[in-house]
Amino acid sequence: DADVTQTPRNRITKTGKRIMLECSQTKGHDRMYWYRQDPGLGLRLIYYSFDVKDINKGEISDGYSVSRQAQAKFSLSLESAIPNQTALYFCATSDFGGGQETQYFGPGTRLLVL
Amino acid sequence: SQQGEEDPQALSIQEGENATMNCSYKTSINNLQWYRQNSGRGLVHLILIRSNEREKHSGRLRVTLDTSKKSSSLLITASRAADTASYFCATDNSTLGRLYFGRGTQLTVWP
Repeated sequence: DADVTQTPRNRITKTGKRIMLECSQTKGHDRMYWYRQDPGLGLRLIYYSFDVKDINKGEISDGYSVSRQAQAKFSLSLESAIPNQTALYFCATSDFGGGQETQYFGPGTRLLVL
Repeated sequence: SQQGEEDPQALSIQEGENATMNCSYKTSINNLQWYRQNSGRGLVHLILIRSNEREKHSGRLRVTLDTSKKSSSLLITASRAADTASYFCATDNSTLGRLYFGRGTQLTVWP
C-alpha cells in the first residue's frame, strides 16, 4: 500500500462549489504539506502543518483552507471553487529527520473547475 | 522568490548520452535536493546534498553543489528512455524548515 494517499484522484466540479481533497499517510510523519502544480509554474505551496496543532499559510493560500484532523490526515478545502483553481494538487509529508527535509509525495489529485 | 531555478527548461537527448541539469538559488541553504516526476505523478526524492558537501553520487546520478555561486547540477550518466521525466531541485532553508521547489527541467530521452 502507498505511504501517502490522496482522494479523490480526479475531480470535476463547478464554479462556486465547495470541495475537499483528502490526504492520508502511514509514514508516521509530523509534517504535511499541500501543493498545487500548474504547467510551467512548478510546485507552489498552499498550506503546511508541522504537527497537529500547527497550521501555516504558504505562498498561495487565498481561496483555500485546511484541516489537520490527526497526525495522519490533512485535508484541503476550496471554499468556493473558481476556474483558475484548476490544477494538479499534491500532498506531501516529511519527518525533518536529522534536520533534513526530505518530502514524500502522494499521487496527486487532478481538479477541473468548470 | 526563494525558489531554485532549473536550467534548461527542456532537454532532449538520445539514449546513452549524459544529461546535465542546473539549478540556481538565491538564499543560503541547509541542503539541496533533486526530485523526479513522471508525467502526472507525484514527485520522488532522488538525492540530497548538504551545504558542506561539494559532490555526491547515487548510481547513475552525480550532484554537485557550489555554494559560492549558489548553484547545483544534476548529471545523469548513460541515460535511458525510462529517465524521461521532469526533474526539480528543492532548497531547504534551515531557518524556515521547509522546501522551495524550482519549476523543473523536462528531460526527454529518445530510444
